[in-house]
Amino acid sequence: GQNIDQPTEMTATEGAIVQINCTYQTSGFNGLFWYQQHAGEAPTFLSYNVLDGLEEKGRFSSFLSRSKGYSYLLLKELQMKDSASYLCAVMDSNYQLIWGAGTKLIIKP
Amino acid sequence: DAMVIQNPRYQVTQFGKPVTLSCSQTLNHNVMYWYQQKSSQAPKLLFHYYDKDFNNEADTPDNFQSRRPNTSFCFLDIRSPGLGDAAMYLCATSRDVAGGNEQFFGPGTRLTVL
Repeated sequence: GQNIDQPTEMTATEGAIVQINCTYQTSGFNGLFWYQQHAGEAPTFLSYNVLDGLEEKGRFSSFLSRSKGYSYLLLKELQMKDSASYLCAVMDSNYQLIWGAGTKLIIKP
Repeated sequence: DAMVIQNPRYQVTQFGKPVTLSCSQTLNHNVMYWYQQKSSQAPKLLFHYYDKDFNNEADTPDNFQSRRPNTSFCFLDIRSPGLGDAAMYLCATSRDVAGGNEQFFGPGTRLTVL
């Protein structure tokens, strides 16, 4: 079967750095997405990785290793507004998005 | 601003009473998706349209139907809602289904079944 694993919940301090990991096993691979979802709201797109390596976009960076079936989302200079769930999703060989359950990130002052 | 709009934002229905959720988009995207998301769970794809081509997920109950009368609009019909259908329903669009095409989500409709 196909599955995406990410931690259920993480806690970090305002101003710090946090890394959210995602491991996947899917039928084929056509890219990995990270979405942010605030409570009660819709997911919003953060990043897309299809080649190995690090993609940086402001305070957020996303890393991919296809051989290890692994990605992480790195958030720097954490702000209170970063408190949200972060969803990892992998596009399989049929171009279907396989979603993780999300990691709830709690930011403390 | 180009966007995905869902109406209503909150819907309350009674057990067994049909309900229709609507989604519209101004992005002119080819693909429209309907997801069901329950608290602290991954979004679950119900079906998607590539233009007028309907694609149903194998495990989507027959109780859920969809219509896409034109490029801009898509509807989700729940014929006989049960208590287990209470969830957030998310509509999303993408330009194409291939890799790299991010999905743009509407704000969602939260369905309560009494």
